[in-house]
Amino acid sequence: GAVVSQHPSRVICKSGTSVKIECRSLDFQATTMFWYRQFPKQSLMLMATSNEGSKATYEQGVEKDKFLINHASLTLSTLTVTSAHPEDSSFYICSARDLAGVNNEQFFGPGTRLTVL
Amino acid sequence: AQSVSQHNHHVILSEAASLELGCNYSYGGTVNLFWYVQYPGQHLQLLLKYFSGDPLVKGIKGFEAEFIKSKFSFNLRKPSVQWSDTAEYFCAVTTNAGKSTFGDGTTLTVKP
Repeated sequence: GAVVSQHPSRVICKSGTSVKIECRSLDFQATTMFWYRQFPKQSLMLMATSNEGSKATYEQGVEKDKFLINHASLTLSTLTVTSAHPEDSSFYICSARDLAGVNNEQFFGPGTRLTVL
Repeated sequence: AQSVSQHNHHVILSEAASLELGCNYSYGGTVNLFWYVQYPGQHLQLLLKYFSGDPLVKGIKGFEAEFIKSKFSFNLRKPSVQWSDTAEYFCAVTTNAGKSTFGDGTTLTVKP
């Protein structure tokens, strides 16, 4: 149980295009999903907290107009990187908190490697 | 705001050696504590977690961690490492609001 998937696992795009990444909780409902960014050899940095049915909460320094988050259902959150540039290349990881779970345990997706040319 | 500090950036051990990775956090309220492992090319996996109760928690693959509240520490230990333990290890703190903060990670290399 408690499986989180991400799609796509890898994406390569041209500079200026937009890329959408999906995060799904496969066997549980998640009112809250989190989006992280991980640079090579570095830790995970929380970008935003995605709440089902409401606006996402962004961390300081994260451009909300560049990283659009939609959490339309209890099992799906999407992150859209708009007008991507090479500096947006990174590993994007989502996690989901089980609605029925306790103690704030999060379950992580496998990540999406974004490369912007 | 909370913060997490992992003291060891890169640890190199021989097989069968004992392991201890340090983790300290700063936060004034109640926290949940986690250790995650990321094997090369794979996603984060939960090693163990502390919510309440016995401060010595046991996780998967023979790992354990001890929460020392007075020291704001949650060090990870394993009595005898294996080559397959080579990975990146992350300590994380989650507040009651659900916000998680990760340490910078420790790269463990186990020599066969």
